[in-house]
Amino acid sequence: KNEVEQSPQNLTAQEGEFITINCSYSVGISALHWLQQHPGGGIVSLFMLSSGKKKHGRLIATINIQEKHSSLHITASHPRDSAVYICAVKEVYGGSQGNLIFGKGTKLSVKP
Amino acid sequence: GAVVSQHPSWVICKSGTSVKIECRSLDFQATTMFWYRQFPKQSLMLMATSNEGSKATYEQGVEKDKFLINHASLTLSTLTVTSAHPEDSSFYICSARDLARYEQYFGPGTRLTVT
Repeated sequence: KNEVEQSPQNLTAQEGEFITINCSYSVGISALHWLQQHPGGGIVSLFMLSSGKKKHGRLIATINIQEKHSSLHITASHPRDSAVYICAVKEVYGGSQGNLIFGKGTKLSVKP
Repeated sequence: GAVVSQHPSWVICKSGTSVKIECRSLDFQATTMFWYRQFPKQSLMLMATSNEGSKATYEQGVEKDKFLINHASLTLSTLTVTSAHPEDSSFYICSARDLARYEQYFGPGTRLTVT
């Protein structure tokens, strides 16, 4: 079983729809990252969370430490949001190097 | 937010040659930088962790003599792929940890094609 599970693996939405991507993890963490990777490959850090909720523009990220679960929400989705969204966690006992454990990603396609 | 740059963004080289990829933190100091490799439709795989002024720590299965990492300053780390082979063709991504804020930022990646 993977330590970081994302769902769904693939998601197709119509422009304007509200989108939710989920991430569950099985290890103790000190932080959780949401990353966005566009088809060209470049990765953008969207959020780093250790508790609660963060909002940036149309993006909202929440985390429930007790339930070991995080969600990434996109409001009023747009075709330019089409990308792979990756959840990555920093394990509490990951050592001084603090390696991240990555989910396999959720591929989002937003149709106009 | 903090910016991490990589250069070049893409490179094509012939088998047997060496290629150097640079990773820079543009507006913060990074004592630790991470190098990842990503194959098509797969997640990022950590190759090595580099700390400024010391030798890099390589993950199991990663050849340190083939993937040379140098972290000479708080804003620059380089990855050199030596004697490149077609199987080294991949997307290489660096990430830098902001010393002050303890946050990790990712570079845009470098696509390497070895012919």
